[in-house]
Amino acid sequence: SQKIEQNSEALNIQEGKTATLTCNYTNYSPAYLQWYRQDPGRGPVFLLLIRENEKEKRKERLKVTFDTTLKQSLFHITASQPADSATYLCALPRDTGFQKLVFGTGTRLLVSP
Amino acid sequence: NAGVTQTPKFRILKIGQSMTLQCTQDMNHNYMYWYRQDPGMGLKLIYYSVGAGITDKGEVPNGYNVSRSTTEDFPLRLELAAPSQTSVYFCASIYSGGSYEQYFGPGTRLTVT
Repeated sequence: SQKIEQNSEALNIQEGKTATLTCNYTNYSPAYLQWYRQDPGRGPVFLLLIRENEKEKRKERLKVTFDTTLKQSLFHITASQPADSATYLCALPRDTGFQKLVFGTGTRLLVSP
Repeated sequence: NAGVTQTPKFRILKIGQSMTLQCTQDMNHNYMYWYRQDPGMGLKLIYYSVGAGITDKGEVPNGYNVSRSTTEDFPLRLELAAPSQTSVYFCASIYSGGSYEQYFGPGTRLTVT
């Protein structure tokens, strides 16, 4: 069956450290993968998209990797700050049409001062 | 631009009642989506639309209906509300010729008792 999995346990790290979140998927062949941030009581906000032919993508303190052989994406936040505390969702297209996404359950990140 | 707006923010329904969740976007996006988010379950696609007059079912359409008479509006109708429809509902949109980034509304928290 098709699955997209993120660690359901919260990730607690200290300010200044690098946070690494994992997204694994099964029985999908996505052309791209996206990462979103969701704060409590709010809708998800798009962060990054990485395509199947890209190994790595960076945006400011964010870095995403995409390994289509391992069927895994890693999301890194370097020099983390308490303001980075949120839930991070990965998403990939359900099939080839109309950009219908399937989302992981998200990983909550808590950055302590 | 206001982006994607949703009304109401909160609603309590009794079992068997009906209601419409409103969604409007002012970005001239052609694709629009309705998701529900349950605790620990991730976002699930209910319905989507690729343009005015065109809608289709997503992963969990039962108990819901949609219409798309204009590019801007994509209301979600709940008929005969059931406790299983207690959830947070998010509307999202993208421009199909763009970056695949989905823009989400702030959500509607619905409780059916």
